[in-house]
Formats: sequence, C-alpha cells, structure tokens
Amino acid sequence: KAGVTQTPRYLIKTRGQQVTLSCSPISGHRSVSWYQQTPGQGLQFLFEYFSETQRNKGNFPGRFSGRQFSNSRSEMNVSTLELGDSALYLCASSSRGQSYNEQFFGPGTRLTVL
Amino acid sequence: EDQVTQSPEALRLQEGESSSLNCSYTVSGLRGLFWYRQDPGKGPEFLFTLYSAGEEKEKERLKATLTKKESFLHITAPKPEDSATYLCAVRPLSGTYKYIFGTGTRLKVLA
Repeated sequence: KAGVTQTPRYLIKTRGQQVTLSCSPISGHRSVSWYQQTPGQGLQFLFEYFSETQRNKGNFPGRFSGRQFSNSRSEMNVSTLELGDSALYLCASSSRGQSYNEQFFGPGTRLTVL
Repeated sequence: EDQVTQSPEALRLQEGESSSLNCSYTVSGLRGLFWYRQDPGKGPEFLFTLYSAGEEKEKERLKATLTKKESFLHITAPKPEDSATYLCAVRPLSGTYKYIFGTGTRLKVLA
C-alpha cells in the first residue's frame, strides 16, 4: 500500500507571496490532518479534514487555510507569507476502524520564506 | 489546558546501554497516547498506540507503557540505528479531533 505523499518536497518563496501544498492520503483513508513543525515549537496542529469537512482547527491565523476533495486529497494554502512561516509542513492520514486513531505521516514539504 | 511534556530533551547512550524516555501528559480525558519515531528530514513514523493505564506494547527493542499521568518508552540494548527523535502525542477525549504532540526526545546511540 502506498504511503502518504506530499508535493512539492521543497519550496522557496519570498515574503508576501502565497503557497499551496498538496497531500495525497493512504488509499481508503478519509481523514487528513496538517501540522507545522519548527525546531522551537515542535509539531503544531493546523487543521483536520474528514469527508471534505474541516472538523477542527488549531491556533493559526486565517492566512492558513485548507480544503479536502472528494477523493480525500487535501491542499493547504498560506497567503501573505511571513519569515516565521518557514517550517516543515506535514500531512497525516488516518482511517476509521479499530486503529482509526493512528496517524500516518508523509515526508513533509520544507518551506523556506526569504 | 491539555499539555504533553517529554524528557529528557536529548539523550546519548552507548550501544547496549538501556534507558527510558518519558512522556507526561495533562488532559481532561485520554482517547489514546501515541509514540512516533522521526528521522532527520522525514515525517514521523508510527510506533505504538496505548489506550488505557497498565497497557504495554513491544516492538523489537522498544517497549511502551502507560499510566494515568505518563508513558515510558523503554529502549533495551539500543543500536546506532535506533538514533532518532521520539515523539509522544495524545488525543484527548473531548469533542475535538486534534492530536497534541510533545517536543520530542533526540536519541543518539553511539557505537
């Protein structure tokens, strides 16, 4: 079974620009969560989608948004980039069932804002 | 406020030197506690899920245990390939669906 895939793997942007990151979950998984990982803060929860609906959102400004498509693929968008948005953005998927709480992570997208 | 604290922040062991990593949590109710391993430049890799106090899970040289306030990840006779950052996360029983992660323990095993 293929794992979680994220594209692109690396991005370099400048302040003020916007960026869209993509995540394809494991086949059959309907829940997708996004995290921001930085050396100082660790993994910070951004939001979770299930069946195209956002179920929960972390404490991030409105510049961070996301969506999920009918095939469970998800995108997150960051507008008006700031230097502090430089981070590893991780996507994780999980499924219903006995082990539905387990999350499986993708390799991440490394975003650098100059 | 729900919180997860991991200790130590960093740990250096000689090959074969067993030790334990700690994950303390404060939540109103626990749906599950999770351990992950993360190698540099990669996403976290799922290791274990623990649901109730007294539960234990094992995988090769790793054993995870859970009490009402903390979890331990015991590493027996570690090898250099066990070097990684180990992350602990909890999922509260409350109506939210988010996971709360600790900042991790960076483990270095020397040959």
